Amino acid sequence: EAQVTQNPRYLITVTGKKLTVTCSQNMNHEYMSWYRQDPGLGLRQIYYSMNVEVTDKGDVPEGYKVSRKEKRNFPLILESPSPNQTSLYFCASSLSIGNEQFFGPGTRLTVL
Amino acid sequence: GQQLNQSPQSMFIQEGEDVSMNCTSSSIFNTWLWYKQEPGEGPVLLIALYKAGELTSNGRLTAQFGITRKDSFLNISASIPSDVGIYFCAGLVAYSGGGADGLTFGKGTHLIIQP
Repeated sequence: EAQVTQNPRYLITVTGKKLTVTCSQNMNHEYMSWYRQDPGLGLRQIYYSMNVEVTDKGDVPEGYKVSRKEKRNFPLILESPSPNQTSLYFCASSLSIGNEQFFGPGTRLTVL
Repeated sequence: GQQLNQSPQSMFIQEGEDVSMNCTSSSIFNTWLWYKQEPGEGPVLLIALYKAGELTSNGRLTAQFGITRKDSFLNISASIPSDVGIYFCAGLVAYSGGGADGLTFGKGTHLIIQP
């Protein structure tokens, strides 16, 4: 089944404790992206990747890192999480940047 | 970056009613997408529009790409309880020389249906 998977689905952590949210797609998509969703603000792009080893900042990149060592994986790294990063995070992928994106199921992160 | 104004923010309707929502922008897009998000899940693509003036249907859903390329509309006819969710519009700008900007999302329309 073609899909985008994220792990974990839920995470509660404390300020400053490094964490990684994984994202994987099995559709051989070149473009992958991370969004955060907050009430009243909709979906905001954090980082995106046009292809392997090519990443770029989205609208709200502060406090986040990403890597794209393989085509299928695009982990989101929070080196020192803070409470304002409490949010619902979505990974998405598409054939290329100009195509419709497919979303993962989401990761709900709470930073205490 | 570009901004999309999506309205209404929320809708409370009776089952069986028709629904209309729209997105407008001061920028031109050459692709418009409509997604639906149900509780606890990621957005799922409903309709994709690629040409100005295009009118596309998917079951009871109909979406239009505005002729100015700055707006799009989504209509749902004869709403049913499973239509409940958040509907997002998204715009995409692709450049003739290749490449594109990422998706820009509206803030969503919450659809609530009263039986």
